[in-house]
Amino acid sequence: NAGVTQTPKFQVLKTGQSMTLQCAQDMNHEYMSWYRQDPGMGLRLIHYSVGAGITDQGEVPNGYNVSRSTTEDFPLRLLSAAPSQTSVYFCASSRTATNTGELFFGEGSRLTVL
Amino acid sequence: DQQVKQNSPSLSVQEGRISILNCDYTNSMFDYFLWYKKYPAEGPTFLISISSIKDKNEDGRFTVFLNKSAKHLSLHIVPSQPGDSAVYFCAASGGTYKYIFGTGTRLKVLA
Repeated sequence: NAGVTQTPKFQVLKTGQSMTLQCAQDMNHEYMSWYRQDPGMGLRLIHYSVGAGITDQGEVPNGYNVSRSTTEDFPLRLLSAAPSQTSVYFCASSRTATNTGELFFGEGSRLTVL
Repeated sequence: DQQVKQNSPSLSVQEGRISILNCDYTNSMFDYFLWYKKYPAEGPTFLISISSIKDKNEDGRFTVFLNKSAKHLSLHIVPSQPGDSAVYFCAASGGTYKYIFGTGTRLKVLA
């Protein structure tokens, strides 16, 4: 059971570089989302999607782009990385978009921006 | 503006005793609440949830209580075990398609 798979697990970037964090789920979940975890800040929602072709902003969307071309994949793009984006990123999915189900999380991607 | 608040960053409890973790929320549109447990270097894992139509939900050693009038929920772990040592997050949803998380409480169960 793969569940929610995130790649890469670790990444170091220089300021201004771009990269994409990959997220894939094999549970046919409608809902997918990205969070970042920072000390003392908990988990903050970056972007989310309620289905293929539909995305929307969360609490901290600035500096990040997302797309949802398939049900399975929900990549997170950093177009010009900044040190403030150093964080641990989690992708999560849920069976339905009705917000009455549990979120399943990936293992996380640790990003350092120098 | 923090819509979901966990005001205790940490909690220490003796093994076998009860652990009580608290969470407050401000958005009256929230109608579904969840608790997650997180070990270092792992993703959060679901523990228990409660809908706003209930005031209590139990699952084994874990019970969640919801007080809608006070906009407060709590997670009780009885009896606490050393393996319960982790960071616990509460989360809320409702009104929009967003799950909003609190800042977490680090629980340490002392053997």
